[in-house]
Amino acid sequence: GNSVTQMEGPVTLSEEAFLTINCTYTATGYPSLFWYVQYPGEGLQLLLKATKADDKGSNKGFEATYRKETTSFHLEKGSVQVSDSAVYFCALKAGTASKLTFGTGTRLQVTL
Amino acid sequence: NAGVMQNPRHLVRRRGQEARLRCSPMKGHSHVYWYRQLPEEGLKFMVYLQKENIIDESGMPKERFSAEFPKEGPSILRIQQVVRGDSAAYFCASSSVERGNTEAFFGQGTRLTVV
Repeated sequence: GNSVTQMEGPVTLSEEAFLTINCTYTATGYPSLFWYVQYPGEGLQLLLKATKADDKGSNKGFEATYRKETTSFHLEKGSVQVSDSAVYFCALKAGTASKLTFGTGTRLQVTL
Repeated sequence: NAGVMQNPRHLVRRRGQEARLRCSPMKGHSHVYWYRQLPEEGLKFMVYLQKENIIDESGMPKERFSAEFPKEGPSILRIQQVVRGDSAAYFCASSSVERGNTEAFFGQGTRLTVV
């Protein structure tokens, strides 16, 4: 079946540090890949997506590249801010008519 | 275009009562997904529905839980005879059936507390 593996948190960084959150997946076919972010007490918001190999999704300074050869979709940001503190979820969807499969989430804490 | 609307935002039930959680998808979306999130944990898939059809219920507990998405009105997740272990945040997401349109949009969730 389909699965997503994320690095365990929490990840604690100082403001302006470089961020990487690793995500690898197992899926049949060619899934679409997503990063969602959840702020405390809120629902999930779509952060970025990529629908085919070598696509790069980007939003708000975050980036992730769909790497089919390594089945990865690592999230990166060059300079994090305190306001980026949240839980980040990697997810895949194996077709229009299928469910989203999530990783366990990685908590990011950014300090001054 | 309003987003995915869930209500209530918070729900308190005594053990043995029924909980009904509602989800109105985004306009034009005919696919609805329900997920459960326990405190400090990830999201667990429960059920995937289209209008009047259950597509995938592989994540639904065998007893006490049911879901529907009628032709008219919101999707309902129903939990009968709630127990303390049902306390969690329940999230609904919706997506469209347009070709190539793969992302799902989430509601704010319903936080169920069983006392």
